[in-house]
Amino acid sequence: DIQMTQSPSSLSASVGDRVTITCRASRGISNSLAWYQQKPGKVPKLLLYTASRLQSGVPSRFSGSGSGTDYTLTISSLQPEDFATYYCQQSYNIPYTFGQGTKLEIK
Amino acid sequence: QVQLQESGPGLVKPSETLSLTCTVSGGSISSYFWSWIRQSPGKGLEWIAYVDYSGSTNYNPSLKSRVTLSVDTSKNQFSLNLSSVTAADTAVYYCARGYCSGTTCYPSWFDPWGQGTLVTVSS
Repeated sequence: DIQMTQSPSSLSASVGDRVTITCRASRGISNSLAWYQQKPGKVPKLLLYTASRLQSGVPSRFSGSGSGTDYTLTISSLQPEDFATYYCQQSYNIPYTFGQGTKLEIK
Repeated sequence: QVQLQESGPGLVKPSETLSLTCTVSGGSISSYFWSWIRQSPGKGLEWIAYVDYSGSTNYNPSLKSRVTLSVDTSKNQFSLNLSSVTAADTAVYYCARGYCSGTTCYPSWFDPWGQGTLVTVSS
């Protein structure tokens, strides 16, 4: 299985901050990566897929980049509604696997 | 807008079979991929398997020997059976559709999701 490792595991930031979350795959995944946002008690929401494609309706302050084994999710200017847990997920190989999550908290 | 709703027992005894159904409303089950994903504090998010409208399946190898997926197009439903459950199978179980962008549908990105159902394995 391809292991996905996110860093940091948790992060404190303020409204308006620029935030970057990193996801590293145990082997190259050729941009076969998605990012999800999950708020407490809620369902994961797809934000980006194929590493950098924004899902319809997702604000443009979210962006993704990377290649090979290393990928990043960037939020350009944090809004109050962005405080949540973020997960990466690879689809290069079955089984599809998720990172352990990055909890983004208000500073 | 497509909505998904999981249904099934919230409590299953060890060694028995966990059975869940996902009902799709607001759209057809045809021409899409449908997945089951679970989430537990210990294991995080774990993809279980997907089925397409024709009944073709792909399973997580770690669960393959215990999992069966099926689809009922007449009822707009798909189902999960997980046999020989243990406490390690306690989780919130989600059904989800493979994400579609325009006319391209992917089995591997998940949106939308059902609200999830907690299944506890305990005697």
